Formats: sequence, structure tokens, C-alpha cells
Amino acid sequence: EVQVVESGGALVQPGRSLRLSCAASGFTFDDYAMHWVRQAPGKGLEWVSGISWNSGSIGYADSVKGRFTISRDNAKNSLHLQMDNLRAEDTALYYCAKCSSYSYGDFDYWGQGTLVTVSS
Amino acid sequence: EIVMTQSPATLSVSPGERATLSCRASQSVSSNLAWYQQIPGQAPRLLIYGASTRATGIPARFSGSGSGTEFTLTISGLQSEDFAVYYCQQYNNWPPLTFGGGTKVEI
Repeated sequence: EVQVVESGGALVQPGRSLRLSCAASGFTFDDYAMHWVRQAPGKGLEWVSGISWNSGSIGYADSVKGRFTISRDNAKNSLHLQMDNLRAEDTALYYCAKCSSYSYGDFDYWGQGTLVTVSS
Repeated sequence: EIVMTQSPATLSVSPGERATLSCRASQSVSSNLAWYQQIPGQAPRLLIYGASTRATGIPARFSGSGSGTEFTLTISGLQSEDFAVYYCQQYNNWPPLTFGGGTKVEI
């Protein structure tokens, strides 16, 4: 059974950092790209960042470029999102999503999300 | 950036009726279009990929059509568990990957 489980969400002050993690199981992790998608309270889905199977291709939304860094550890079947210089508008539920292909595409499995709240 | 526009924002239908949801892309995305269902309090679920292919385990009452810039998700014979928010997403070009604003299907 495919599972992706996020962790690391917390309440943080503006300007501080946070690192999210995603543990994957039930599939060959290094065959697929992985992505982060967020959802602000009461709002729609926003793609944040994605990383290809071998970390050779990485992309970011303009809203997070230069502040967030995505990485993966294929030996540990894990995905990470380093979030620096956090802003109030980064407050959201962050989903880890498995891509159906090795680089980018649709998202066939999603975690339940981890909540990031940026507030003083 | 490819902008995805969904309409209507809210669709009121009765159980057993058909619902037709639209998604428009600001430029051609070929058939690189997915649809997701999100029930309140739950993660999104993939319904359709490649504009018209149902994902694993998705009932036949869900169907997708279209290509280029105009896409449709049709739900035939709405059941109580189908009342949710539906999002389209393009994956023709990245970054960024982009979602539509969503259509809420309500009773």
C-alpha cells in the first residue's frame, strides 16, 4: 500500500525557519518525482515545489523561490522542504504528493498534510 | 505561467442528477490535465489524468474530456459522497504546475 506521511509542521514566528519531511513507503521511491502542494485555510490548492527522481530537475513556485529548498534522500525514502524566512502568507496545510512520473505530472497519492502556521 | 480557470465556482445539483464542471487553460496544455476531488477535511484524490483516463478505483460515473485549452469533468448520477470541491491541474509545463481555483459541488 502506497503511503506518504508528512511531519514537521508547527507554529513559527515570521522570519524563522522550519523543515518539513515526508516519509514514503509502498512504492519504489527513486522511480518517481515528489512534490509539495499547500492549501491556505479556506483556499484552493497551490503547487509549491517539486523534485525529479534523481534530484536532477527541481522547480519552485515564484512565491517561495529563494526561500524554500526541496531535497530528497532516496536511500531513506524521504522528501524534505527547508522553509526559510517564513511569512504570514506561508500559513497553510502542506501536502506531500507522489507524482505519477519521474519528473512532473499528475499526483496519484497524497499525504494527509502537515500544518504550518506563521504568526507572531 | 499557465493560468487555469474553473467554472462555475459553485454548482448546486440534486442527487442522481448530472454535474458538468469546466476548466479552461490560458494556453494549450495538450491532454496534460488532471482532475482531483477534495472532500472537506481530507486530502485531494486523483480522479482523472491525461484529460480523460480514470485513475485506479474511480467509478465510471466520473468522466473527463477535452484537449488544448477546454476541459470538462462530468459526474453522472451524483451520489452523496460526490459532494465536494473539484480541482483541475495542468502538467504540460513546469515550473510552475498550476491548479484551477476549484468548483464546489453542493446539494
